Amino acid sequence: QSVLTQPASVSGSPGQSITISCTGTSSDVGSYNLVSWYQQHPGKAPKFMIYEGSKRPSGVSNRFSGSKSGNTASLTISGLQAEDEADYYCCSYAGNNTLVFGGGTKVTVL
Amino acid sequence: QVQLQESGPGLVKPSETLSLTCTVSGGSISTYYWSWIRQPPGKGLEWIGYIYYTGSTNYNPSLKSRVTISVDTSKNQFSLILSSVTAADTAVYYCARGGGYGSGPNYWGHGTLVTVSS
Repeated sequence: QSVLTQPASVSGSPGQSITISCTGTSSDVGSYNLVSWYQQHPGKAPKFMIYEGSKRPSGVSNRFSGSKSGNTASLTISGLQAEDEADYYCCSYAGNNTLVFGGGTKVTVL
Repeated sequence: QVQLQESGPGLVKPSETLSLTCTVSGGSISTYYWSWIRQPPGKGLEWIGYIYYTGSTNYNPSLKSRVTISVDTSKNQFSLILSSVTAADTAVYYCARGGGYGSGPNYWGHGTLVTVSS
């Protein structure tokens, strides 16, 4: 069970859109539409942002959207705001009743 | 709104056993799956395992030989035991609701730092 691959950092200017990738294998991301995304500000617990690949929990801004193509899931943040600066993690079902997280991506708002 | 609170020693000696409890409020533990996740300082998240209220468990294969998760429905609590700890087990430990049915956990506790040191 390997960690999902995410870019270490992504940056953008306010108002722009950015996309964070999460690359797995045919045993996890590629086989199931069960990717979740989390936002984590320094010193805080992760916040549930996306589930089942593209669904948003109640209260999460529609500026956040999720998608998947093959073995890679993506989180897009549109209309980037200063408050979006945080670490982001993907999480996928990996079969055999196990979960696997990505290594995390630091988003910087320039 | 469901709330989760981790509790337990913040310092554990190498080779000893780490033991944490998560108390659930604002809802019954007798539904859903309940997870433990950890995060070493400055590093990413690692799924440890989850339990269903019936007591059925699933663990990260890399930790399975050292991990036990249990549930006490009468106290609305679930617990984590990690044996034979080393410095590599130093982390913030989070309890959370969810993890079953292939979905990531949705509600998380604030986390508790456990340091392994003599």
